Amino acid sequence: IAGITQAPTSQILAAGRRMTLRCTQDMRHNAMYWYRQDLGLGLRLIHYSNTAGTTGKGEVPDGYSVSRANTDDFPLTLASAVPSQTSVYFCASSESASGQETQYFGPGTRLLVL
Amino acid sequence: GQNIDQPTEMTATEGAIVQINCTYQTSGFNGLFWYQQHAGEAPTFLSYNVLDGLEEKGRFSSFLSRSKGYSYLLLKELQMKDSASYLCAVRDRDYKLSFGAGTTVTVRA
Repeated sequence: IAGITQAPTSQILAAGRRMTLRCTQDMRHNAMYWYRQDLGLGLRLIHYSNTAGTTGKGEVPDGYSVSRANTDDFPLTLASAVPSQTSVYFCASSESASGQETQYFGPGTRLLVL
Repeated sequence: GQNIDQPTEMTATEGAIVQINCTYQTSGFNGLFWYQQHAGEAPTFLSYNVLDGLEEKGRFSSFLSRSKGYSYLLLKELQMKDSASYLCAVRDRDYKLSFGAGTTVTVRA
């Protein structure tokens, strides 16, 4: 593994189903983030984690949950998917939450909720 | 919260210069980032400004004026591969990034 990986690459999901998007990084970065990207709206922060064991809510957290049991993994769960959660989801990480460190993005998961 | 504005689209000719403006209103400021995103791909880091002035990196430069809440990204000697979306992002006092909607740049031969 090099950098950040996300799985699945894409998914079609029936409304009401539960879904977990996986994100793994091998850079030993402390901070990790989940964004959704929708046309005309740009990237919006869903949840974040500044360090393993801690999480926080971003701009659009409703309907999503996260956990950070260890440094490398940061899964995003949709408890009961709705069509408005159709989007492209990007996971990102940075060495720390502050300083000059930029965020590195995974390749994204394209989710269609029907 | 953040309010970040940038133009939706710009078109330029190969070899030319294009300037993408970004204005922002923020509750606390801890830096401004520019990212490049090709269609169907992840954003990649281009530049970071936290102090006023110009940062130059090869063909790309980024400028910041904190008092005016203004930044621009300058792309020189445009190449076809520069056709992409360019995202302006502001980091707030809690070190969270807020992104503009992005500017799609089309480079024509």
